[in-house]
Amino acid sequence: AQSVAQPEDQVNVAEGNPLTVKCTYSVSGNPYLFWYVQYPNRGLQFLLKYITGDNLVKGSYGFEAEFNKSQTSFHLKKPSALVSDSALYFCAVGGLEGGYNKLIFGAGTRLAVHP
Amino acid sequence: NAGVTQTPKFRILKIGQSMTLQCAQDMNHNYMYWYRQDPGMGLKLIYYSVGAGITDKGEVPNGYNVSRSTTEDFPLRLELAAPSQTSVYFCASSFDSGAGTDTQYFGPGTRLTVL
Repeated sequence: AQSVAQPEDQVNVAEGNPLTVKCTYSVSGNPYLFWYVQYPNRGLQFLLKYITGDNLVKGSYGFEAEFNKSQTSFHLKKPSALVSDSALYFCAVGGLEGGYNKLIFGAGTRLAVHP
Repeated sequence: NAGVTQTPKFRILKIGQSMTLQCAQDMNHNYMYWYRQDPGMGLKLIYYSVGAGITDKGEVPNGYNVSRSTTEDFPLRLELAAPSQTSVYFCASSFDSGAGTDTQYFGPGTRLTVL
């Protein structure tokens, strides 16, 4: 079955420290991978996506993600966390059968950055 | 561009009542989607549309109906509200290139409570 897992419900990090939010996937074929962020009482905002090419993808607000095919992972990273990065982060996988830009979302990881 | 807009932002319904959640986009996107977000569950696709006049079911369509008479609008109808439909509803849109790589853009959401 196709699925996306975000193994951590919450990640806590001190401001200025590096952060990692983990995502693993299980799909057949070549996946397209996305990260979205949701701030309180807001809709999801697109951060970045991996389609093909360089395994390191750079996105908005200083975030980046590394695609690792052998480990079927797409972890989100940032070298130096800000308090304003505190939000709910969703990993999603696309490029699936279905013909309608189908996305499967993970359950989300809450990032809390402490001053 | 306003992007994807949704109304209302909040609504409380009594069991058995009906209502329509409105969604509009001004990006000339052909694909539109309705998701529901339950705590700890990520987003689940309710219905989607690949263009005006064409709609289809997603993962959790029971209890909902949709229509797409124009490119811009994609309303979601709840006919007989049930407590299980208490959730946050997100509308999204994308321009389909046929490759499955397209970014979905989300509205701010409608928080619905059924009592």
